[in-house]
Amino acid sequence: QQQVKQSPQSLIVQKGGISIINCAYENTAFDYFPWYQQFPGKGPALLIAIRPDVSEKKEGRFTISFNKSAKQFSLHIMDSQPGDSATYFCAASRGPYSSASKIIFGSGTRLSIRP
Amino acid sequence: EAGVTQFPSHSVIEKGQTVTLRCDPISGHDNLYWYRRVMGKEIKFLLHFVKESKQDESGMPNNRFLAERTGGTYSTLKVQPAELEDSGVYFCASSQGLGFTEAFFGQGTRLTVV
Repeated sequence: QQQVKQSPQSLIVQKGGISIINCAYENTAFDYFPWYQQFPGKGPALLIAIRPDVSEKKEGRFTISFNKSAKQFSLHIMDSQPGDSATYFCAASRGPYSSASKIIFGSGTRLSIRP
Repeated sequence: EAGVTQFPSHSVIEKGQTVTLRCDPISGHDNLYWYRRVMGKEIKFLLHFVKESKQDESGMPNNRFLAERTGGTYSTLKVQPAELEDSGVYFCASSQGLGFTEAFFGQGTRLTVV
């Protein structure tokens, strides 16, 4: 049973455009939603995370939007650059210090930014 | 400071053979995690070591998988005998604290069983 559904599976965006990746979760006990970025040949790295007490969190060109009632959250990359090309994973857990086994990842989105 | 290192980067083996993956965590990190991503699917937890002890191995798929962490340093994950469905990318991560969000991932080992 996939508890975090991520879409799209792949995404191509023109340089300068907005990249949007969506995730939906089922377990209402989740209260911490991180995003990971994985470059080719590298492991995933924590990019940005949000708690449900806010509807939006912004760090530079990266923004997480959170809709608690819809149980959805999304990653927006503004002014997308070729260097943003990577695989992005959303995840959900019960708190930022949840045990590793309790962190549920989405299936990943392969993002390509065309020059 | 060296990051989490995994060996080998790629491995292609035949069904029924044995493969051993190795992970060298960041020095001083007591927590070591193994994860797996089957092609196009989500990253799934396999197990968690605290030093040399298995804290949680609830994600290990079956008894063909054996993980060890002798002396609380590097870890190995052995698959014996390998099956086709074991193909995927195996990630190792390590952290100093218990919070997984503080963890750093290795580059992964891509295992292909043919």
